[in-house]
Amino acid sequence: NAGVTQTPKFRVLKTGQSMTLLCAQDMNHEYMYWYRQDPGMGLRLIHYSVGEGTTAKGEVPDGYNVSRLKKQNFLLGLESAAPSQTSVYFCASSYFLRGEAFFGQGTRLTVV
Amino acid sequence: EDQVTQSPEALRLQEGESSSLNCSYTVSGLRGLFWYRQDPGKGPEFLFTLYSAGEEKEKERLKATLTKKESFLHITAPKPEDSATYLCAVQGDSNTGNQFYFGTGTSLTVIP
Repeated sequence: NAGVTQTPKFRVLKTGQSMTLLCAQDMNHEYMYWYRQDPGMGLRLIHYSVGEGTTAKGEVPDGYNVSRLKKQNFLLGLESAAPSQTSVYFCASSYFLRGEAFFGQGTRLTVV
Repeated sequence: EDQVTQSPEALRLQEGESSSLNCSYTVSGLRGLFWYRQDPGKGPEFLFTLYSAGEEKEKERLKATLTKKESFLHITAPKPEDSATYLCAVQGDSNTGNQFYFGTGTSLTVIP
């Protein structure tokens, strides 16, 4: 039972490049989330999904897009990366909306 | 603005020296308060959920308590393996739009 798996674990992008972060969960959770974590700031919600085919904006959605084509997968896209998007990104899933959540190991993204 | 504040930012304890971490919140209607543990380079790991003032939960050397405006995470006779960052998160009720906030964490170091 893997829980929540994120790929890749590390990535370096040049300004303006695009990429997709992949998140997969095997717990049959309806709710999935993407957070970013920056020094001195709490985890901030980027986007979330309340079920397959749905997405919603979180606290800091600008510059990101998401898709949830399958219940077990939640993708986070950066269309044109900016240095301000340098961060550690976490995917999470939960049985209840914003209740007890299970987190992935994180993706450390550096935009130069 | 509703906020979650954790104190202290960092705490160093000798092995066996008990102490408490604080999480104060200003969200007007509390739906739940969550404690997580985060090890370096990993995602947060769920510890406890507290729902109402007076509630307490325990797990090994950890005990979480909740009052109307704050929560404490008591660590009894800590061991070096308890070293981690402890995160607090609160969820407001429907009157607050079910807003969810993470604190910035307390970094705990237990010295052998």
